[in-house]
Amino acid sequence: ETGVTQTPRHLVMGMTNKKSLKCEQHLGHNAMYWYKQSAKKPLELMFVYNFKEQTENNSVPSRFSPECPNSSHLFLHLHTLQPEDSALYLCASSQEGGGDEQYFGPGTRLTVT
Amino acid sequence: GIQVEQSPPDLILQEGANSTLRCNFSDSVNNLQWFHQNPWGQLINLFYIPSGTKQNGRLSATTVATERYSLLYISSSQTTDSGVYFCADDVSSGGSYIPTFGRGTSLIVHP
Repeated sequence: ETGVTQTPRHLVMGMTNKKSLKCEQHLGHNAMYWYKQSAKKPLELMFVYNFKEQTENNSVPSRFSPECPNSSHLFLHLHTLQPEDSALYLCASSQEGGGDEQYFGPGTRLTVT
Repeated sequence: GIQVEQSPPDLILQEGANSTLRCNFSDSVNNLQWFHQNPWGQLINLFYIPSGTKQNGRLSATTVATERYSLLYISSSQTTDSGVYFCADDVSSGGSYIPTFGRGTSLIVHP
């Protein structure tokens, strides 16, 4: 148990669906991150939020839309995804953005059909 | 170019053996972490080690920042050590620092 939870753990969605991934951290951290891990590839940073403000968007397609209503919660809204978006989506948090130890949630395994 | 490089990519051990995993960086070491990813995808923090040496049970890690590498040592390996080991560091990109992961070392420990 790392103090970071993610729901759902598994998600299957069609290309025309809209769904959201949720992340919550109970560590009192101020920075939260979304990563994508595809098969046979390293983890890729998608977004960083620091004190609820987005500080990094690593050239992510607009079909992925993050939302950070407060420092404890992070969402990833999904719409009109492609099959190549199937991956493990990992959320992480750290005390502050940059230069801090990150703690990861268990991930959401997403399959786009 | 490759900014965080891990070796070996795959490793198979017999229970009880020792091993060394390596992480090389093409830029300065800033925020080095080692993780273990279990078969269910959970990343477990092993070490936060931008410099120096740390030990935790059968695991230890050393980072030599001046030479841009870090080593993870696993002694007396157990089957539960199986999984993928990642190193990660903050890499300079376009004026900011981006957490960047290596491709990982996939470890299988046989009983």
